Amino acid sequence: DTAVSQTPKYLVTQMGNDKSIKCEQNLGHDTMYWYKQDSKKFLKIMFSYNNKELIINETVPNRFSPKSPDKAHLNLHINSLELGDSAVYFCASSQVQGVGEKLFFGSGTQLSVL
Amino acid sequence: KQEVTQIPAALSVPEGENLVLNCSFTDSAIYNLQWFRQDPGKGLTSLLLIQSSQREQTSGRLNASLDKSSGRSTLYIAASQPGDSATYLCAVNTGNQFYFGTGTSLTVIP
Repeated sequence: DTAVSQTPKYLVTQMGNDKSIKCEQNLGHDTMYWYKQDSKKFLKIMFSYNNKELIINETVPNRFSPKSPDKAHLNLHINSLELGDSAVYFCASSQVQGVGEKLFFGSGTQLSVL
Repeated sequence: KQEVTQIPAALSVPEGENLVLNCSFTDSAIYNLQWFRQDPGKGLTSLLLIQSSQREQTSGRLNASLDKSSGRSTLYIAASQPGDSATYLCAVNTGNQFYFGTGTSLTVIP
């Protein structure tokens, strides 16, 4: 079983559309994250949720809205997509935020905005 | 704010060579440091995690060291193989979040 799974793997869409990326973890972890990886492979934190509560919200346009229905799921909804949103988005989870825990990643969603 | 740098950005070596990847960070107040491997089009796979109280961790041909006071970590790969070709990223855990380096793209030539 995949520990952290996200769907879809590829997402191609037009500017102005609204799209969602789903993420689920079956590790029993308390904390989930969304990262954005740009074309230069740099990974930047977008959001962090701990037990369904928002912990980190970096400087991300409010067109991006995370939704955590339970601690095993953290979905990312993006409104009014722009060309600059094209990137690979990774979901991740850890047992407890900080405190020496490993970070586990999903396989990524490659978003292409045309 | 924590900044993480990895040098070199790219590295190409012949098969069988031993190599060292470097990771440096600006703030020594960390909980741990983790090394990841990323294959093209794939997610990140954890290789080694070093707690802030540890000096090194080993897994097979991989050895990671940590010098927290100087803000440095190295990943040593012994007897490199073509299958080791990938991008290697380090990430420091400050307790609030993980900060990633920009990665080293490794190519091992058969």
